[in-house]
Amino acid sequence: DAGVIQSPRHEVTEMGQEVTLRCKPISGHDYLFWYRQTMMRGLELLIYFNNNVPIDDSGMPEDRFSAKMPNASFSTLKIQPSEPRDSAVYFCASSLVALPGTQYFGPGTRLTVL
Amino acid sequence: AQKITQTQPGMFVQEKEAVTLDCTYDTSDQSYGLFWYKQPSSGEMIFLIYQGSYDEQNATEGRYSLNFQKARKSANLVISASQLGDSAMYFCAMREAGGGGSNYKLTFGKGTLLTVNP
Repeated sequence: DAGVIQSPRHEVTEMGQEVTLRCKPISGHDYLFWYRQTMMRGLELLIYFNNNVPIDDSGMPEDRFSAKMPNASFSTLKIQPSEPRDSAVYFCASSLVALPGTQYFGPGTRLTVL
Repeated sequence: AQKITQTQPGMFVQEKEAVTLDCTYDTSDQSYGLFWYKQPSSGEMIFLIYQGSYDEQNATEGRYSLNFQKARKSANLVISASQLGDSAMYFCAMREAGGGGSNYKLTFGKGTLLTVNP
């Protein structure tokens, strides 16, 4: 079975540019989560969706960040405009309502903003 | 206050020996879940083991077991017969029930870097 798929795996961009990260959750999973990992702050939850509906976006750092889930098999995290402090690894994870908390992570996108 | 505390930034163990990674948690919920994830140098996060707050027996998954001491609010991960491939960062995480009982968020600790020596 395919796991969570993220693209791109690596992204290097310049400050001020728009960045779009993509995620395909495991088929049949009800929940989708976006995390950011940095050395300083560790693993932080940004936002999560249930059945394509955003449930909690309290971790989104500021208005430059936005996330969408237009259907059950696709989600995007957009940063516009990007800043050097956004450099991090961004993970997408999905889980089943029947197994709350057991989240399966994608390989991550390493974002570098110059 | 931190919800998940992992006091060991780094641990070393000899191959084939057992190792315990510490995790303490803080919650006022009666229903919660505790998780351990492994992050090797390649970067992916791998789910290892889960313990529910109402589970009376410690969870086990192959060489992994979770030493759950509810009164002490600790959920230590025990890896038996360490292998070189166990070298990785290990994260403890907690899911609290939340007000509506439908909180699916995980709070992660800072992690412990385990190095297995040959």
